[in-house]
Parts: sequence; structure tokens; C-alpha cells
Amino acid sequence: QLQQSGPGLVKPSQTLSLTCVISGDSVSSNSAAWNWIRQSPSRGLEWLGRTYYRSKWYNDYAVSVKSRITINPETSKNQFSLQLNSVTPEDTAVYYCASGQYGMDVWGQGTTVTVPS
Amino acid sequence: SYELTQPPSVSVSPGQTARITCSGDALPKQYVYWYQQKPGQAPVLMIYKDSERPSGIPERFSGSSSGTTVTLTISGVQAEDEADYYCQSTDSSDTSVAFGGGTKLTVL
Repeated sequence: QLQQSGPGLVKPSQTLSLTCVISGDSVSSNSAAWNWIRQSPSRGLEWLGRTYYRSKWYNDYAVSVKSRITINPETSKNQFSLQLNSVTPEDTAVYYCASGQYGMDVWGQGTTVTVPS
Repeated sequence: SYELTQPPSVSVSPGQTARITCSGDALPKQYVYWYQQKPGQAPVLMIYKDSERPSGIPERFSGSSSGTTVTLTISGVQAEDEADYYCQSTDSSDTSVAFGGGTKLTVL
């Protein structure tokens, strides 16, 4: 299971921070990947990035947010986090964490994040 | 960035067969995954590795691939299948994940 937490309102130009707590698996798994996805009416499902461990840590980020995003694994707490800097109203969306080895078979409950104009 | 193309909508009557396509240049080399999403819910994985069905997914859901196009087939569509369906894959370098734009399945 994945349990998300974080604020639902972020002011423009500030940093959006969300956490996804993992139960029933390990963030250090050698087979799973840990993803952040967002969804807005205008953009559908948009993959933001992922972190995964294959003898060392790797990160992949979407080109659209690459200059503003950081996804970090936190092994001591068995969780991973999303930080998105310099947010604008365009970043208003439902944010999901999701994981899996082949595809994303486990999803968090979703967090609605609003960036007011 | 890598793009996957889906039709915006598909409509079928109950009991008929629905086919939803997804096109992308890297699909001959990369697996495709299909998700079902109902309003207010997180997506659910319906098909993985092009044609495999996770446990608990009804047999009426199947996936197939041919070149740069993959297809989700729902045989004997039921009213409960009305939802948005998204394909997902990765680019040829396997570093960028992409979702299709989604297809709204309407059961008439």
C-alpha cells in the first residue's frame, strides 16, 4: 500500500512537497520503481518522475518538469518524496504516487494540490 | 518527450466488444500497460506487459500488439466497464514514461 501526505494548498513560486509512505514492500527493492504522477482536466495523466534502486539509486524525470523536480527515496522511513519548485497555477492537479515492477499496480489515494492565481 | 496516441472516445452497447487503440513509435520495443480509471478514483492496472492480466481482472479484458499499435479489447462489455482507459509505456531509451491521452468508454 501507498499512503500519501502533504499540503493541499501551495502558494505561487513556493515548493510543493508530498510524501508517499510504503507498506508491504521496500523502497530499496531491486525490482520496483516508485513514481509520481499528476492529473488535471487539461493534461490527463502526466508522469512526473521516478526513483528506483538497482544496486545504486536512479532517477528519471519528465522533460516538462526536469528543471524543478526532485524525487528522493528515504530508506530509514521506507518512503519517497516529491518536491516541485517554483509552482504556478498550472501545477494545480491531483498528485498520485504509484509503484510496480511491470507497470504501476499500486497507487496512493491521490492528493489534490491547488496553486491559486 | 515521448507521445502515445489514443482515440478520445469509444462507444459500445452492452454485450458487444470494445477495442481501444494506442499508438507510439517505440511500442514494438517496449511493453504497454493499460489502466482503468473511474471518476474520483485512482487508476487500476488492467493489463501489463502488453497482454498479461493481473489477478482479479476479468477475463473479458485482453491486450494485443501489432507493430506500433497496441489494442485493449473488452469482450462482452458490461455497464460497469464504463470508464476512462489509459495506455502507458516508455520511450526507446527506457528513461521516460508516457501515458496516452485517455479514451472514454461509453456503454450505451
